[in-house]
Amino acid sequence: AQSVSQHNHHVILSEAASLELGCNYSYGGTVNLFWYVQYPGQHLQLLLKYFSGDPLVKGIKGFEAEFIKSKFSFNLRKPSVQWSDTAEYFCAVNSLTGGGNKLTFGTGTQLKVEL
Amino acid sequence: DTAVSQTPKYLVTQMGNDKSIKCEQNLGHDTMYWYKQDSKKFLKIMFSYNNKELIINETVPNRFSPKSPDKAHLNLHINSLELGDSAVYFCASGANTGDYGYTFGSGTRLTVV
Repeated sequence: AQSVSQHNHHVILSEAASLELGCNYSYGGTVNLFWYVQYPGQHLQLLLKYFSGDPLVKGIKGFEAEFIKSKFSFNLRKPSVQWSDTAEYFCAVNSLTGGGNKLTFGTGTQLKVEL
Repeated sequence: DTAVSQTPKYLVTQMGNDKSIKCEQNLGHDTMYWYKQDSKKFLKIMFSYNNKELIINETVPNRFSPKSPDKAHLNLHINSLELGDSAVYFCASGANTGDYGYTFGSGTRLTVV
């Protein structure tokens, strides 16, 4: 069974600091990887995704993630965070089961950016 | 024009009641899902339907019964609500080919008192 680990549960940064959120997955087959963001009181929005090709993926709002197959990792990065980046961040991996997708989420990382 | 819409947004009800949450998507996706987000923000898949057919049922109590009248709709009916059912329920849809990304609805916050 696939699983996703996010080791940082709570992260507090000052504005303009650099961000890196860790994500490791466990799955034996081909994976598609995602990062979603959930702003307070809102639904999940897709930040970026990796399917194939260039392992460095660029997403919205200046976020990027790097897929390192040998480390089973897909860490999220942003060079300079803003107060508006305060949110919950979820890493996810999908697999195909019997004709449908199944997206498995990590436990999430709560990011707080202070002014 | 909302891609995945859920109603209601908030639902407060007493233990033992039966309630339904509706979900509709206008993206033409074949697959729809229900996810439960608990108080610690953990997201867990409950059900997946592909073109009206149940594909995934993740050890959810029988009190939860999804219904998909067509591939654009996936409703969730919950019987005999319990305190532990309080959570945010998210509907999502996705395509089976090409782009495997999901689009989520805005969520239904269910509070059982």
